[in-house]
Amino acid sequence: DVKVTQSSRYLVKRTGEKVFLECVQDMDHENMFWYRQDPGLGLRLIYFSYDVKMKEKGDIPEGYSVSREKKERFSLILESASTNQTSMYLCASSGIAGGREQYFGPGTRLTVT
Amino acid sequence: QKEVEQNSGPLSVPEGAIASLNCTYSDRGSQSFFWYRQYSGKSPELIMFIYSNGDKEDGRFTAQLNKASQYVSLLIRDSQPSDSATYLCAVEGTGGFKTIFGAGTRLFVKA
Repeated sequence: DVKVTQSSRYLVKRTGEKVFLECVQDMDHENMFWYRQDPGLGLRLIYFSYDVKMKEKGDIPEGYSVSREKKERFSLILESASTNQTSMYLCASSGIAGGREQYFGPGTRLTVT
Repeated sequence: QKEVEQNSGPLSVPEGAIASLNCTYSDRGSQSFFWYRQYSGKSPELIMFIYSNGDKEDGRFTAQLNKASQYVSLLIRDSQPSDSATYLCAVEGTGGFKTIFGAGTRLFVKA
């Protein structure tokens, strides 16, 4: 079974702090994704990566950056957390062989106060 | 116009009935289509994917795809209370990599 893990389930940070969210997958997937999910807005893509050291902006990259130094690990960085970044953050991975279905981690609920 | 549209619901069906969930998409070049189920407080999990026009069955679930009408649906037969969740339709855009998710339809199955 594909396993995607995220570093924290719940996180509380203060406005202006730098926040790191980490995601690790164990299926040797090429593609990794970061989404945020808010009520009524669904899943919105922040960034994705299709290879080590490669990254592409999604629909809402402002205020975020990412890092992918190893194939299995994809980090999301909030450079200076703001209250409007309070959300559920979901990491996902997918392979390139066969179907490109995504497998999600358990999510990190981030609260910025 | 949203790229992937779903009725937000809630859709309420009695136990044992067929639940029908619908989705339309705007990118005519899309080739891959997915249905995910998300329980409250949990992350999405894949139920089915479909690439070709027609029906694809897996147990109590049937996915239907009509590319000419840009329409995808999910039928759940013999609905159970445990099927109560939000169902997300997802469409892989032209060129791959990026998948667009609908906002989801909430399904309630009444015992």
